[in-house]
Amino acid sequence: GAGVSQSPSNKVTEKGKDVELRCDPISGHTALYWYRQSLGQGLEFLIYFQGNSAPDKSGLPSDRFSAERTGGSVSTLTIQRTQQEDSAVYLCASSLDSGGIYEQYFGPGTRLTVT
Amino acid sequence: ELKVEQNPLFLSMQEGKNYTIYCNYSTTSDRLYWYRQDPGKSLESLFVLLSNGAVKQEGRLMASLDTKARLSTLHITAAVHDLSATYFCAVPPRSSNYKLTFGKGTLLTVNP
Repeated sequence: GAGVSQSPSNKVTEKGKDVELRCDPISGHTALYWYRQSLGQGLEFLIYFQGNSAPDKSGLPSDRFSAERTGGSVSTLTIQRTQQEDSAVYLCASSLDSGGIYEQYFGPGTRLTVT
Repeated sequence: ELKVEQNPLFLSMQEGKNYTIYCNYSTTSDRLYWYRQDPGKSLESLFVLLSNGAVKQEGRLMASLDTKARLSTLHITAAVHDLSATYFCAVPPRSSNYKLTFGKGTLLTVNP
């Protein structure tokens, strides 16, 4: 079946602009995650959505970052007033919740470059 | 704060040789995940280890978990070039089983 898809695959933006990154999870997966991967910081958890529960936003690095998940499926990560340090690959993952086991399946990522 | 340390971070080995990658973590957890990442690609799930003493094998890779020692190993047997990739371990705290903290990754290069 189809895996996690993300768009765009690459995004170049000017400092100060807003960007939106999209994630389509695997059909039927109730949990959705966003991570950021950068050379300096490695892979960092950003946010977690599970069904209709309140998301865990504890990994968002600043209030310029926000995410929503509509209808329990597609998610959008928004970065406002982008800064150069936001340049990274943003990875989305989805999973089932199988008795507390969260084997996460990752999308191809969006490479964000802030100039 | 949960910390996950992998070593080595860089590993260059010859085909046919064996080696082990180590993953240590700092707080109590009873599960651990191994992922593989090819250059320019996303992460692929390799193993899910769910209990103390768990051992899983797939081809030339074998992973184990010792929750008491807070240690997992990824053993490579008779390496082949196709295993060249970056390998990550990831651990969730017990309080938030979904929230993975990743190690920095081990870049494995298998030379002919």
